[in-house]
Amino acid sequence: QQQVKQSPQSLIVQKGGIPIINCAYENTAFDYFPWYQQFPGKGPALLIAIRPDVSEKKEGRFTISFNKSAKQFSLHIMDSQPGDSATYFCAARDDYKLSFGAGTTVTVRA
Amino acid sequence: DAGVTQSPTHLIKTRGQQVTLRCSPKSGHDTVSWYQQALGQGPQFIFQYYEEEERQRGNFPDRFSGHQFPNYSSELNVNALWLGDSALYLCASSLGTGDQPQHFGDGTRLSIL
Repeated sequence: QQQVKQSPQSLIVQKGGIPIINCAYENTAFDYFPWYQQFPGKGPALLIAIRPDVSEKKEGRFTISFNKSAKQFSLHIMDSQPGDSATYFCAARDDYKLSFGAGTTVTVRA
Repeated sequence: DAGVTQSPTHLIKTRGQQVTLRCSPKSGHDTVSWYQQALGQGPQFIFQYYEEEERQRGNFPDRFSGHQFPNYSSELNVNALWLGDSALYLCASSLGTGDQPQHFGDGTRLSIL
């Protein structure tokens, strides 16, 4: 069964908008939460990651918010650009293994 | 600095055949993980190799096996292929300390006819 639930499946925003992707988990053994970006025909590329003792992390235009008590975390893409159009995956690590969400396809319209 | 490299990029096989996929980890990495990504889905963990041994395994049958060589490169073998094995097979490398991120290659697209 899916250990990490990701939503929405897809979303469309205008250039400059802020797409928000949400993920939820149940396994409290997860100790590391990365986000990956994947373009068609390419492998996932690590974007940003967070540990459960931190509530927010920013790297460039990407921000992760983490709510440990709710077992939820989200990715915000600030000032989104057409080049950000891709599929985004949240993931969670338990004992070396990564469990991925089903992915969110983000389209940024110019 | 070479990233994770995988070969071949594409492969077509028929049901019942066997296949071997190859992966060279990013320079400095000693751990290799394999994932299967079906179309429109997130990657699913197959197994991880460290110090030439399988360290952890996901929910995949014994038809899926692997190997890691002394130079840290790795192979994924799949026997008795069936249509459901059609997917993108991804290799990810990391440092073996367990607290380091995994970096992915671009995968091998396997199609079963």
